[in-house]
Amino acid sequence: DQQVKQNSPSLSVQEGRISILNCDYTNSMFDYFLWYKKYPAEGPTFLISISSIKDKNEDGRFTVFLNKSAKHLSLHIVPSQPGDSAVYFCAASLNQGGKLIFGQGTELSVKP
Amino acid sequence: DAEITQSPRHKITETGRQVTLACHQTWNHNNMFWYRQDLGHGLRLIHYSYGVQDTNKGEVSDGYSVSRSNTEDLPLTLESAASSQTSVYFCASSEGSTWATQYFGPGTRLLVL
Repeated sequence: DQQVKQNSPSLSVQEGRISILNCDYTNSMFDYFLWYKKYPAEGPTFLISISSIKDKNEDGRFTVFLNKSAKHLSLHIVPSQPGDSAVYFCAASLNQGGKLIFGQGTELSVKP
Repeated sequence: DAEITQSPRHKITETGRQVTLACHQTWNHNNMFWYRQDLGHGLRLIHYSYGVQDTNKGEVSDGYSVSRSNTEDLPLTLESAASSQTSVYFCASSEGSTWATQYFGPGTRLLVL
């Protein structure tokens, strides 16, 4: 029972264009969502987060959108850069001591 | 600088052997977590701890155990390694607040033959 799903295993985008990574969840009780970025042979690093009381959060080139009615969040990267090539994980929290439930990940490739 | 480290970074072992993976953080965080990463599954929670002497089972805890004797360390033990436990293991820590960001270690790649 996958409560957090990233249905696209991979995404390829041209440098300078927008990258949109998607994430769906099933549990309406999730109240905090995060995106992590992971390079090969490294641990995931925190990228951006959003609480369930908001529908948008921006940090530089990265914007996360939350659509609670659709149980969907997305990460927009504008403009995309080759250094953004990595695996991106979305995660959700149930307000239970900081435990996170992760999606399967989407591998983003940004072509020069 | 505060950090979280894991050792060893790579480990090869045989089926049935006991293996312990170390995790050490200098953030002074109360919360610590162990995950495994497998293709198609993302990161799955194995065990977690909210403080010294506190341990809890996660989603995939069978065959694993942890102990928390101090704030800095949360070692993960595979009691009798199985080939299904071949994976990449990540340790993470966070402050005590509910929505705190988790900081991850570099991972340990474990191969069970």
